Amino acid sequence: SQQGEEDPQALSIQEGENATMNCSYKTSINNLQWYRQNSGRGLVHLILIRSNEREKHSGRLRVTLDTSKKSSSLLITASRAADTASYFCATDAYNFNKFYFGSGTKLNVKP
Amino acid sequence: DAMVIQNPRYQVTQFGKPVTLSCSQTLNHNVMYWYQQKSSQAPKLLFHYYDKDFNNEADTPDNFQSRRPNTSFCFLDIRSPGLGDAAMYLCATSRRQGGQPQHFGDGTRLSIL
Repeated sequence: SQQGEEDPQALSIQEGENATMNCSYKTSINNLQWYRQNSGRGLVHLILIRSNEREKHSGRLRVTLDTSKKSSSLLITASRAADTASYFCATDAYNFNKFYFGSGTKLNVKP
Repeated sequence: DAMVIQNPRYQVTQFGKPVTLSCSQTLNHNVMYWYQQKSSQAPKLLFHYYDKDFNNEADTPDNFQSRRPNTSFCFLDIRSPGLGDAAMYLCATSRRQGGQPQHFGDGTRLSIL
C-alpha cells in the first residue's frame, strides 16, 4: 500500500514549545502534502512540498523532505492551543489526481 | 466563499437501508474524491472523478457507488449499509493539474442502526 506511516501517533506539549511529526512512505512521489484536521471537521491543507524540494516554510510551519529515505517531517514552532488537531501527510504515488494519507499524529497543545 | 459543502452533516440509517450522501462545490474543480474515515484512522480513498471519468479503488466495497451528474455535484450511494460502514465520509476537490491541494468538506457522519 502507498499509505504512509506517521510518528508519533500522539504528541502532547505545552504552549510555546515546538512540535515535530514525521511521515514515512513507500514508493516514489511527485509531491507530499500536509493537512490538519480538527475534531469532527474536514481536512485543511497546510503545505505542499515537491519531490525536488528539500525544505519549505509557511508561517510557523517548516516541512522537510528526504526522498532518499522516503520521509518527511512537519515542524510547528511556538505552538498554540489552537494547533491542537490531528495532522496527516498525503502522497500522490505518481498519480497527480490520487492521494494516500498517512496514519496521522494527534497533537495536543496544553495552554 | 468558494467551498465544498456536504449534506447532511449527520445521517442515521438502518442496517441494509440504502443511503445517499451528497457533496457540492463552488470551486469549479475538475477532480472530486470520496474518502471514508473511521475513528482515529487515516482517510481512505474510495473513488475519484477526473471530470466525468470514474476511478474506483480496488478495495472499495461493491455496495459503494457514486454519481457525478455535473461538475458541481457528486453523490455517494451505499446500497446496503452494514454496521462496518459507520464512519465519517469526506468529499474533496482539486484542480486538474498535478500537485494541487485538496479542498475538503466537513464530512457526513454516518451511523447505522
